[in-house]
Amino acid sequence: KNEVEQSPQNLTAQEGEFITINCSYSVGISALHWLQQHPGGGIVSLFMLSSGKKKHGRLIATINIQEKHSSLHITASHPRDSAVYICAPTGNQFYFGTGTSLTVIP
Amino acid sequence: DVKVTQSSRYLVKRTGEKVFLECVQDMDHENMFWYRQDPGLGLRLIYFSYDVKMKEKGDIPEGYSVSREKKERFSLILESASTNQTSMYLCASSTPGLAGGRNTGELFFGEGSRLTVL
Repeated sequence: KNEVEQSPQNLTAQEGEFITINCSYSVGISALHWLQQHPGGGIVSLFMLSSGKKKHGRLIATINIQEKHSSLHITASHPRDSAVYICAPTGNQFYFGTGTSLTVIP
Repeated sequence: DVKVTQSSRYLVKRTGEKVFLECVQDMDHENMFWYRQDPGLGLRLIYFSYDVKMKEKGDIPEGYSVSREKKERFSLILESASTNQTSMYLCASSTPGLAGGRNTGELFFGEGSRLTVL
């Protein structure tokens, strides 16, 4: 079973590009996390959202609960954005996508 | 800031050894989780706990046990380590969920413990 699908799995971008990572899920949820994991590092939560859109600096997350879809956008990407981004829908438990590995080249 | 601290970043053990992975959180969270992370498989839930002395099996509990004697501490135990337990282990804690009760809320992770079993 695969309740959470992320795309793309791998992404390489030039510095300054606009980036979109997509997440589709099949389970009923009350909220969704976007998580970031740098190489060799722990995981940090970037956003938790249950509707609409949230923005932190250059990061924007959107969710459409009815369509069971969320996107993470990075504007003006920078090499320090290079990391794995994980979608985690949340209902009575956390579900996790397998992650999108982003590399931003200077 | 919420802090989730895992006792060891890197461990190397031999097959058959007993392994303890300790996790402590400092924000009085009731919900705590142990995951393992493997390439291509993502995060998989081993065990979780919603309160002291309470534990529930996750998706892959075989070969593992847990202990939650105090609210802030959640330990993962490998009774007899095997090579297929070589992995990154991540502890997490969470606030109560939006719907209250057992639903999960905001999630905080430790730095991870990379275990190699030889």
